[in-house]
Amino acid sequence: DQQVKQNSPSLSVQEGRISILNCDYTNSMFDYFLWYKKYPAEGPTFLISISSIKDKNEDGRFTVFLNKSAKHLSLHIVPSQPGDSAVYFCAASDRKSSGDKLTFGTGTRLAVRP
Amino acid sequence: EPEVTQTPSHQVTQMGQEVILRCVPISNHLYFYWYRQILGQKVEFLVSFYNNEISEKSEIFDDQFSVERPDGSNFTLKIRSTKLEDSAMYFCASSDLGLSTDTQYFGPGTRLTVL
Repeated sequence: DQQVKQNSPSLSVQEGRISILNCDYTNSMFDYFLWYKKYPAEGPTFLISISSIKDKNEDGRFTVFLNKSAKHLSLHIVPSQPGDSAVYFCAASDRKSSGDKLTFGTGTRLAVRP
Repeated sequence: EPEVTQTPSHQVTQMGQEVILRCVPISNHLYFYWYRQILGQKVEFLVSFYNNEISEKSEIFDDQFSVERPDGSNFTLKIRSTKLEDSAMYFCASSDLGLSTDTQYFGPGTRLTVL
């Protein structure tokens, strides 16, 4: 059951450039989306979220874009920094049916090269 | 900055034994969750808890699992008779009032190893 998919297991980007991480979902009932960052041996750390009533949300270097018709969201990190190297998880919830239960993607490992 | 804490960081147990994983959610949060991540797999929802009762649980959360808020600060996950396949990282999370736009904040996790 892969309702949330991150098709790129890894991504390598030069420091200072843009990192774009992608996420696709199949459940049209999802109405809230989040990105988490995870370092080894730590829990997921919240980065940014977006409600389905919006198509963009920005917080500092992080911007999330949502394309509901394509069931696709992306996380842009500009400029990328070596400290951004981590695994990034996309997560979604269907608040009407499933409350706050989060469904996670498999993650994308980002490596930012100095 | 307030954070979710979990103990122990690593628990090793024999198959069939009971384990209790402990969590201290962020103090003003009212919704609590357990997730797990088997090595190499995605993070999976186990259970959500509000107002001293389970609000939702996944098919993973069978009769071997239980949750409890024994006092005003702790939130525990008990596995009654552990199996090899219970080996995973277990993450506790909490959120503020469970509002639909609110965010779940995760603890550092407990690595459970069942031998």
